[in-house]
Amino acid sequence: GAGVSQSPRYKVAKRGQDVALRCDPISGHVSLFWYQQALGQGPEFLTYFQNEAQLDKSGLPSDRFFAERPEGSVSTLKIQRTQQEDSAVYLCASSADGNQPQHFGDGTRLSIL
Amino acid sequence: QKEVEQNSGPLSVPEGAIASLNCTYSDRGSQSFFWYRQYSGKSPELIMFIYSNGDKEDGRFTAQLNKASQYVSLLIRDSQPSDSATYLCAVKFWAGGSARQLTFGSGTQLTVLP
Repeated sequence: GAGVSQSPRYKVAKRGQDVALRCDPISGHVSLFWYQQALGQGPEFLTYFQNEAQLDKSGLPSDRFFAERPEGSVSTLKIQRTQQEDSAVYLCASSADGNQPQHFGDGTRLSIL
Repeated sequence: QKEVEQNSGPLSVPEGAIASLNCTYSDRGSQSFFWYRQYSGKSPELIMFIYSNGDKEDGRFTAQLNKASQYVSLLIRDSQPSDSATYLCAVKFWAGGSARQLTFGSGTQLTVLP
């Protein structure tokens, strides 16, 4: 596709439920990033993939957060046993390689009730 | 801790004026610098990037970098109401190895008054 595509655009879940957020990067982009953006703040780094390899997951806030990119294209961010503090916009970005500018998708707005 | 600081604003300028957005960062090992524009409820959109000291111009936008002062700015000439948005400064810090992520400031909200 022309840009980074994320789904769903909005997700509402009850506390304790598991959620899965999908990211389809720009075709051919090797690098894929997940960020979390709280209201009124800049995005904060969660994790980074180069192809299918997860090279950095230092930003994941807890072991309830898990990300994968099994075939080096589409990525899924999974949050288990969601908590209210997980409510945020989750942004995916991709770049041609790790040194090129990153382009963002429209994000998934996650609300935990 | 690596930090990126921006004045949160709001910054208001009249239509046609120059808007000046500023950003400071904490680490001298920083590699590259980016400005993103974010409309409410939308994703960050890349406006400019700059790697070397000095100015870089693209249309109405000019990015300025001063590594000695750890300072990067964005100038918007002939500001338009459509420029009203939050502007995010982002820095890629060199951490060796595979580190490639951006560290963002909290953004400056710009309003261009018609």
